[in-house]
Amino acid sequence: QQKVQQSPESLSVPEGGMASLNCTSSDRNFQYFWWYRQHSGEGPKALMSIFSDGDKKEGRFTAHLNKASLHVSLHIRDSQPSDSALYFCAASEATGNYKYVFGAGTRLKVIA
Amino acid sequence: NAGVIQTPRHKVTGKGQEATLWCEPISGHSAVFWYRQTIVQGLEFLTYFRNQAPIDDSGMPKERFSAQMPNQSHSTLKIQSTQPQDSAVYLCASSFPGDAEQFFGPGTRLTVL
Repeated sequence: QQKVQQSPESLSVPEGGMASLNCTSSDRNFQYFWWYRQHSGEGPKALMSIFSDGDKKEGRFTAHLNKASLHVSLHIRDSQPSDSALYFCAASEATGNYKYVFGAGTRLKVIA
Repeated sequence: NAGVIQTPRHKVTGKGQEATLWCEPISGHSAVFWYRQTIVQGLEFLTYFRNQAPIDDSGMPKERFSAQMPNQSHSTLKIQSTQPQDSAVYLCASSFPGDAEQFFGPGTRLTVL
């Protein structure tokens, strides 16, 4: 079983709408989370990290972490066509230089 | 800042041939990571170095795969006797000392015929 599960596999939202992505870690050793975004033909780029319980907001992006359930979500407000990409949840064992375990990704399509 | 540089961007090899993939991390970054991305398996960790020393190679297939970091400005991933199942995008990432954020290169797409 994958240590990091993401849902949904794919998601379509209208331009200006809200996109909500989910991620759960099944391994308590992996409880420090990142959200990455990958456009076609490029490497993943970091959107934001979240290491503590609660919400973290960066511009149109808000992440929420529940450490008890190891569930993290990403909400994208006012979605734009340029947000169309593959979104990965990555978990690590600590906050320093450690490997990531990635989820399978959610493909987001924003329809103009 | 040019970001993480990976060369070549595309490589085609015949079954049984050797492939060497290169990664130049961002200047000042002391951690270098290698990942493999396929449609079926997604993004998988292979190995990583910190200050040029190998730290964790738990994701590396035990046979045919090897990685080195001979100096702080580049790392190589070598695959001997390539097989069709090695076809994937190989991604290199680097990080500042002690920083969790990883900066990824564009990847090398390896196709084994």
